[in-house]
Amino acid sequence: DAGITQSPRHKVTETGTPVTLRCHQTENHRYMYWYRQDPGHGLRLIHYSYGVKDTDKGEVSDGYSVSRSKTEDFLLTLESATSSQTSVYFCACNRGQGNYGYTFGSGTRLTVV
Amino acid sequence: KQEVTQIPAALSVPEGENLVLNCSFTDSAIYNLQWFRQDPGKGLTSLLLIQSSQREQTSGRLNASLDKSSGRSTLYIAASQPGDSATYLCAGLETSGSRLTFGEGTQLTVNP
Repeated sequence: DAGITQSPRHKVTETGTPVTLRCHQTENHRYMYWYRQDPGHGLRLIHYSYGVKDTDKGEVSDGYSVSRSKTEDFLLTLESATSSQTSVYFCACNRGQGNYGYTFGSGTRLTVV
Repeated sequence: KQEVTQIPAALSVPEGENLVLNCSFTDSAIYNLQWFRQDPGKGLTSLLLIQSSQREQTSGRLNASLDKSSGRSTLYIAASQPGDSATYLCAGLETSGSRLTFGEGTQLTVNP
């Protein structure tokens, strides 16, 4: 495993407040990803990173921003949380494009009230 | 846009049965395919990765195959056990290498 740690594991926040989720990996993997998982939609890509300070949008990026200042850390920020962002958020990583499998963290359950 | 369908959505079987889970892609241009297992309230655990040059992979009682020409993959579980109860997800990596697209999963229950 890539040793992926997500924090916090659970969070309840109020509408309109900023929230930052953290993903930390210890295997020096180049690529990191943020997904959200919702009933009826499965897992959907929010943003991904292909290196330090190199990021790109996924299919559901509106309302989210990311930053990657170090190889091991990938942060997901909800600038102003909305109830539609209540979800389970998963971080994943892999070594690079090609025949490398993805490794996932344990998830962060976020509730926006 | 790539879409992934997993059939059946839910499956309940008695212990010891052999079973097949199905996954199909609308765009057959898949580079590789990965099967995952997810237990309730947990993250995803990788089961098998079928690399671009491969057509199948085996691990213990699990066998996964990929037919790129049809955009279909199957996961075969032999001699199922109650501990196999979980949701099984397939995910295909696009040829561009930047996007892993998931199915919604098959929820498997193996009854003792």
